[in-house]
Amino acid sequence: AQSVTQLDSHVSVSEGTPVLLRCNYSSSYSPSLFWYVQHPNKGLQLLLKYTSAATLVKGINGFEAEFKKSETSFHLTKPSAHMSDAAEYFCGGGATNKLIFGTGTLLAVQP
Amino acid sequence: DADVTQTPRNRITKTGKRIMLECSQTKGHDRMYWYRQDPGLGLRLIYYSFDVKDINKGEISDGYSVSRQAQAKFSLSLESAIPNQTALYFCATSGRDQYGYTFGSGTRLTVV
Repeated sequence: AQSVTQLDSHVSVSEGTPVLLRCNYSSSYSPSLFWYVQHPNKGLQLLLKYTSAATLVKGINGFEAEFKKSETSFHLTKPSAHMSDAAEYFCGGGATNKLIFGTGTLLAVQP
Repeated sequence: DADVTQTPRNRITKTGKRIMLECSQTKGHDRMYWYRQDPGLGLRLIYYSFDVKDINKGEISDGYSVSRQAQAKFSLSLESAIPNQTALYFCATSGRDQYGYTFGSGTRLTVV
């Protein structure tokens, strides 16, 4: 069975400081992994995706994530937070033809 | 026009009523999905369809049914709505390579 776990339900950072949102996965197969962002009252937007081509994946808006098989992790990072990054972030994985999501991490960015 | 369109955007309905949420897409994707989002629970898969003749239950299908009327249309029905079905519902599509889902803007359903 596959599962995706987001380790933090809330993360708060100051504008201009680094962002780290943590995601672990469990899968019997090599998974496809994704990060999505949801701004208030909006749908989900794909930030980036891992499909085994490269372990470090660069996404939109300066975000990136690194696939670490030894740690079964796919953490999302950004060097410098912007106020517009405040949103909810979802990690997802799909190894059996359907996407399973984590429970989400709400990112707050303080001025 | 949006790639994935959900109607209605918002709906308030009474307990016991039947309600249908509709989803249409212009991506040309074979695969379509219905998820519900609840605070603290993330998105959970209700039903998914890999083509017009293929319908599969997700992790929380009880109380829901679906219809894949065409490649581009996938509707979700609540035969007899109950208050704990109050949630934000998302439709999504993907191609056969599954690499990236496209989501609709969501339907906010309130059952009173």
